[in-house]
Amino acid sequence: KAGVTQTPRYLIKTRGQQVTLSCSPISGHRSVSWYQQTPGQGLQFLFEYFSETQRNKGNFPGRFSGRQFSNSRSEMNVSTLELGDSALYLCASSPGSTWDTQYFGPGTRLTVL
Amino acid sequence: AQSVTQPDIHITVSEGASLELRCNYSYGATPYLFWYVQSPGQGLQLLLKYFSGDTLVQGIKGFEAEFKRSQSSFNLRKPSVHWSDAAEYFCAVGTIQGAQKLVFGQGTRLTINP
Repeated sequence: KAGVTQTPRYLIKTRGQQVTLSCSPISGHRSVSWYQQTPGQGLQFLFEYFSETQRNKGNFPGRFSGRQFSNSRSEMNVSTLELGDSALYLCASSPGSTWDTQYFGPGTRLTVL
Repeated sequence: AQSVTQPDIHITVSEGASLELRCNYSYGATPYLFWYVQSPGQGLQLLLKYFSGDTLVQGIKGFEAEFKRSQSSFNLRKPSVHWSDAAEYFCAVGTIQGAQKLVFGQGTRLTINP
């Protein structure tokens, strides 16, 4: 089975722009979660989608949003980028329950200049 | 609020030596506990998890962890490390009250000396 794929792998944007990141889960997985990883704040949960609905949400501002499509692929969007949004964004998929084993993708490295 | 503390930012051990990575958590309810490993340039991989039952949990790659409620700890151990174990290790607690999510510790970077 193919693993979780994330595109693009690297991205450079400037402050004020918006960005969309994509995640394709393992075939058959219906849950997709997103995390932000930075040297200062570590790994932080952004949100989880299941069957096209946001099931859980972390403590991030509304500039961070996501969606999930009927094929379970997910996108996250960050609007009005700030320097502090520079991070590795990780996506993870799992079969269904939040507590099923999550399989992580390699991440998208976002740099905001 | 729930939190996870990994007291050791960086640990160096010799190949073949035993390893213990410390993890302490703060959570009001019975915790779900996890250990993940992240190799350079890679995503995270689950090593093991604890939900309930036997407090000694076996995972992949020869790792084990022991849940000690009285000490609010979930330390990761391996009897003999291999050079390929060099990576960053993250302990996490799963919150089941309110938003269900993983709360991660800051990580411990493991270096292996040949």
